Amino acid sequence: DTEVTQTPKHLVMGMTNKKSLKCEQHMGHRAMYWYKQKAKKPPELMFVYSYEKLSINESVPSRFSPECPNSSLLNLHLHALQPEDSALYLCASSQGRDSRTEAFFGQGTRLTVV
Amino acid sequence: AQKITQTQPGMFVQEKEAVTLDCTYDTSDQSYGLFWYKQPSSGEMIFLIYQGSYDEQNATEGRYSLNFQKARKSANLVISASQLGDSAMYFCAMREGRGGGATNKLIFGTGTLLAVQP
Repeated sequence: DTEVTQTPKHLVMGMTNKKSLKCEQHMGHRAMYWYKQKAKKPPELMFVYSYEKLSINESVPSRFSPECPNSSLLNLHLHALQPEDSALYLCASSQGRDSRTEAFFGQGTRLTVV
Repeated sequence: AQKITQTQPGMFVQEKEAVTLDCTYDTSDQSYGLFWYKQPSSGEMIFLIYQGSYDEQNATEGRYSLNFQKARKSANLVISASQLGDSAMYFCAMREGRGGGATNKLIFGTGTLLAVQP
């Protein structure tokens, strides 16, 4: 099973809403990532969890709050977002820190903030 | 700081022909990994091929091969016998392998949009 599952696939939320994006993998991977991708742009790294601890935060605004409840799950809690936060949010996982390991991506959540 | 450069915003290729997508990178690390991903319009990122900085042979995976020229810091993707289903965005990416650190960054180039014509 080389699958990373993201839910929901699509999300529309108001600027005052609170919502969460979920990501799950059962490959035993110990590194998990959140990326944000605007249309026709490359994915931009937001957060990295390594062995369930936050290891990288790329200066992401606090209205995005990541959580890693266990080694298989990764959440992204959203609160008070802005319309410019509308994007494709991609979750990925990889075996660990080694530069040799590829990251497997989920299908993404298309987020629209209205 | 690492940097990935893809200079071809878009490419056309005839079905059944080969195409080369360019990628150059910049890093001061000796240990790093280079990756190519395909992103169809549906959005998922599909891993295609990997090349390690210490690998002496060019990587191959089916119709995909990576032309790795370490001295030039280039890692071009070659797709042989193009198919209509190959039409997608292609991203080159790099991960630096700093031992013992928490640097798990996988950084992407700007991508090349490939269109395969019948």
